[in-house]
Order: sequence, then C-alpha cells, then structure tokens
Amino acid sequence: AQSVTQLGSHVSVSEGALVLLRCNYSSSVPPYLFWYVQYPNQGLQLLLKYTSAATLVKGINGFEAEFKKSETSFHLTKPSAHMSDAAEYFCAVSDQDMRFGAGTRLTVKP
Amino acid sequence: DSGVTQTPKHLITATGQRVTLRCSPRSGDLSVYWYQQSLDQGLQFLIQYYNGEERAKGNILERFSAQQFPDLHSELNLSSLELGDSALYFCASSARTDMNTEAFFGQGTRLTVV
Repeated sequence: AQSVTQLGSHVSVSEGALVLLRCNYSSSVPPYLFWYVQYPNQGLQLLLKYTSAATLVKGINGFEAEFKKSETSFHLTKPSAHMSDAAEYFCAVSDQDMRFGAGTRLTVKP
Repeated sequence: DSGVTQTPKHLITATGQRVTLRCSPRSGDLSVYWYQQSLDQGLQFLIQYYNGEERAKGNILERFSAQQFPDLHSELNLSSLELGDSALYFCASSARTDMNTEAFFGQGTRLTVV
C-alpha cells in the first residue's frame, strides 16, 4: 500500500526566505502525488499535483515541487516565503485511494 | 469555495449518542471521500464511494458507516460515540475514481463529544 512521510511536523522560516517542505513516498506503482494546503479553520486546497508529465511541477501561490524517483521524494519549495504562506501543508499519494502525510505546519516570521 | 458542502459545521453531542454528517459533492463529481482529522492521528482516510458504491475503505471503525445516495450526496454515520471521536470530519469529492484526479474538500464538520 502506498504511503507518504513528511519530515518535520513544524517548519519555521523568515519572510523572504526559502521554503522547503519534505515529502517521501512509498508506492509499489508509479504514484500520483499531491500537495495540499490547509489554512486555519478551512478545508484542504490543492497546491499542485504530479502525474508523470513533468518532474518539476508548478503550483499556485509560487510553490513548486520536484519528483525524484531515485530518492522517492516530492519536496515542496517556494523561493521566497510570504506571511500569507503560514498554514499546514499535506503531501498525499494516490493509488487506489488518496493517503495523506501527517502534515507540516509552516510558520513565517516577520 | 470548493463546491463541496458539509453540514452541520459544528456538532456537540454526548458519549454514546449517534450523529449523521452530510456531504454534498461538487456538481458532477461521482467520488466522495471521508476523512477524519484529529490532533493525535492527523488526517486519516475513512472511506470512499463512487457513484453509490463503496470503492475503498481506510481506518474506519465498525461504529462508523457511510453511504452515497442516488443524488450523489453522502452521509457519514457515527454511533456509540466516544470522547476520542471528537475531531474534524472532512468530505471531499472528485470527478472520477482514477487517482490522478485531485479531490476538492469541504469546510469540515467539527464534532465535539462531551
């Protein structure tokens, strides 16, 4: 069965700094991978998804993620953090059903 | 607005009781998923329905059940409630069952068991 592991339950960066949220997947078949964001008191919103068309995937709000099969990773990055990026981020893998990682809470310091 | 509607938004009930959470998927979406989000367990997949049929089952307790109706709305029934069932319950929908289709989430129902 597929699964994802998010390294770091809490990441803190300064405004303008690089954001790097880590996700490693485990899947017996080529996976479909997703990043979702959850703002306080809201549901999850899709940031981006990997479906094998390209290894570097660009999403909304300036985020992107790179699929690396050799490392079984799908890390999320953003060159310059903004205060509005503070939220919880979930990596998800989909095979027969969609499974989410434990989430990483991103804090952005002024 | 994701187009997925969940009711009620908040629910407070006593231990041992039974509640029903309702989800209306986005127009045209055939797949409905239920998730439970709690502080200690994170976001847990419970169950998926596609066009009225159960498609996949995750960490759903036997005290919990769900169904999807002909009009595609879904209900999650939670019975013999325990304090530990207090959580945020999300419904999500997607257009197809093939899993490269992203899911759209509702705002959730916050269940508090006292």
